[in-house]
Formats: sequence, C-alpha cells, structure tokens
Amino acid sequence: DAGITQSPRYKITETGRQVTLMCHQTWSHSYMFWYRQDLGHGLRLIYYSAAADITDKGEVPDGYVVSRSKTENFPLTLESATRSQTSVYFCASSVLTGTGEAFFGQGTRLTVV
Amino acid sequence: QKEVEQDPGPLSVPEGAIVSLNCTYSNSAFQYFMWYRQYSRKGPELLMYTYSSGNKEDGRFTAQVDKSSKYISLFIRDSQPSDSATYLCAIDGGSQGNLIFGKGTKLSVKP
Repeated sequence: DAGITQSPRYKITETGRQVTLMCHQTWSHSYMFWYRQDLGHGLRLIYYSAAADITDKGEVPDGYVVSRSKTENFPLTLESATRSQTSVYFCASSVLTGTGEAFFGQGTRLTVV
Repeated sequence: QKEVEQDPGPLSVPEGAIVSLNCTYSNSAFQYFMWYRQYSRKGPELLMYTYSSGNKEDGRFTAQVDKSSKYISLFIRDSQPSDSATYLCAIDGGSQGNLIFGKGTKLSVKP
C-alpha cells in the first residue's frame, strides 16, 4: 500500500531499554521527519533528514538516534528509554520544503514504565 | 517566546456556527503558513496552506494571513460534527526543512 507506515502502533517498554520505532514511506519523498506529541507541548521536531545519509537535529534530539541508509526508511532509536520519553511519536515525509505539505503516519504510542 | 503561539482551547460550538481559530508567530521572515487537522488517534493531515499574506478559500474553510500583525486565522463556516478535531497551525521553517507547529486547538462541534 502506498503511504507512510509506522510500526509498532503501540509499545510498552521499561526504563533503560533500547527501543526502535520504524517508519517506511513508499513515495520516495526526500524529506523525512520525526516528531513527538505531548499534551501542553504540541508537536516537537526530534530529527529530520533531507536525503539518505543526511540527518540533522531538531528541537528535542537528546536521547534519540536516527539513521537513514535508504530513502524509504527512517528509524528512530531511543538508546536508553526514560519515562520522560513516554509520548506519541509521528513520522512524516515531504517532497520538499516551502509548500508545507508533509504526510504523517498514524503514530506510535510509546509508554516507558 | 515560542515561534508559534496557539490557544489550545478546547472550543465547543453548536452545529452550523462559524468557527475562528487563530495563531500568532514571531519571525517576520516566515512565508508559508499551514493548517493541519488531526482527528483523535490519527496523524495530522494538511488542510490548507497559504503563501505570504492574504486569504485562501476551500469550500467551508478560509485561511487568512496578516503578516503585518503576524497573525494566522482559519475560519470554518457552517461547522459540522465531522469538523470535530484538533487544528494545528504550522509554519514552514525554511532552511531547516521542518514545520514549526502551534500546540493545536481542540474543536468540538455539537449536533
């Protein structure tokens, strides 16, 4: 199916564990993004990527690692999960900046206990 | 001061009402302004975007940008229960290749 898919949709993990959230898009969009959404904060950018092998930090990158070896995949890894990383994570992709049209996945609801 | 400010509401209106949603922003260099709609437990989806100042209309929705006052508005005419969602204003950050979002306003349209 065409689009952007995230997996898993729901995840519960323990403090200190490493967790990887997956994101896959079928459009070959050059730009991909990871956001987290929290009550009171809205959507905040964690990392973004302009192309394969090009990534850069967003507003809240601490505790997260990304990679982009292929255009279509953009995994987000929490190296050692903390309770403050409990959130809903959204992956998005876009063709280019300027028009503002980013396509979002359904989100991954992560709970760190 | 955050780059985009948006009143989180919630906002509750009767069906058929005109809804006005607003944001302010701080950087006068911003040129692209967007409104996203997010239904419960779904990802945001682009509703409208506007370049620079002026109005843009799409059916019951009108987006308005006033660059002189750094004010962004979304008007919904003849609101429907299906319009119940969270509405997020966003600005294209340009050189960083990312969108800067307001916190979102939760709208509920009652039948």
